[in-house]
Amino acid sequence: GAVVSQHPSWVICKSGTSVKIECRSLDFQATTMFWYRQFPKQSLMLMATSNEGSKATYEQGVEKDKFLINHASLTLSTLTVTSAHPEDSSFYICSARGTGGFETQYFGPGTRLLVL
Amino acid sequence: AQSVTQLGSHVSVSEGALVLLRCNYSSSVPPYLFWYVQYPNQGLQLLLKYTSAATLVKGINGFEAEFKKSETSFHLTKPSAHMSDAAEYFCAVNKGYGNKLVFGAGTILRVKS
Repeated sequence: GAVVSQHPSWVICKSGTSVKIECRSLDFQATTMFWYRQFPKQSLMLMATSNEGSKATYEQGVEKDKFLINHASLTLSTLTVTSAHPEDSSFYICSARGTGGFETQYFGPGTRLLVL
Repeated sequence: AQSVTQLGSHVSVSEGALVLLRCNYSSSVPPYLFWYVQYPNQGLQLLLKYTSAATLVKGINGFEAEFKKSETSFHLTKPSAHMSDAAEYFCAVNKGYGNKLVFGAGTILRVKS
């Protein structure tokens, strides 16, 4: 149980294009999803928290117009990197917290983004 | 504010030896504490969690951790290391429902044959 998927697992795009990453909770309903960014050999940095049906809450220093988050249902959240640039290249990981066992976050496998 | 310190960015043990990964936390309220493991190019997998019940927590793959309030520690141990344990391990603290996870810097475990 508590499986979270991400799609795509990796993506290469040209500078200036937008990329959408999906995060799905497969066997539970996720009232809250989190988006993290991880640079090589570093820990995870929380980018934003999204609650189903409401606007995402962004961490300080994260551009909300660049990293658009939508949490339209209890099983799906999307992160769109708009007008991507090489410095946006990173490993993006989502996590989901369910309605039961609520203190535990379950993580997706991550999406590797490379912007050329 | 919550924070987590993982002592030792790299730990190397021989196969069959004891694994000890250290984590100290800072929290103004009783914390929820977690250990996650990350294999290369993958997301994080929950190993175990402490949520104010038993102080000795058993997790998956033979790992366990003990919450010691007096030492503000939550060290991860495994009696006998296996080659498959080689990965990066993250300790994290959460104030409770609705609050974000704060991660330590991570410890890379290397297991020598």
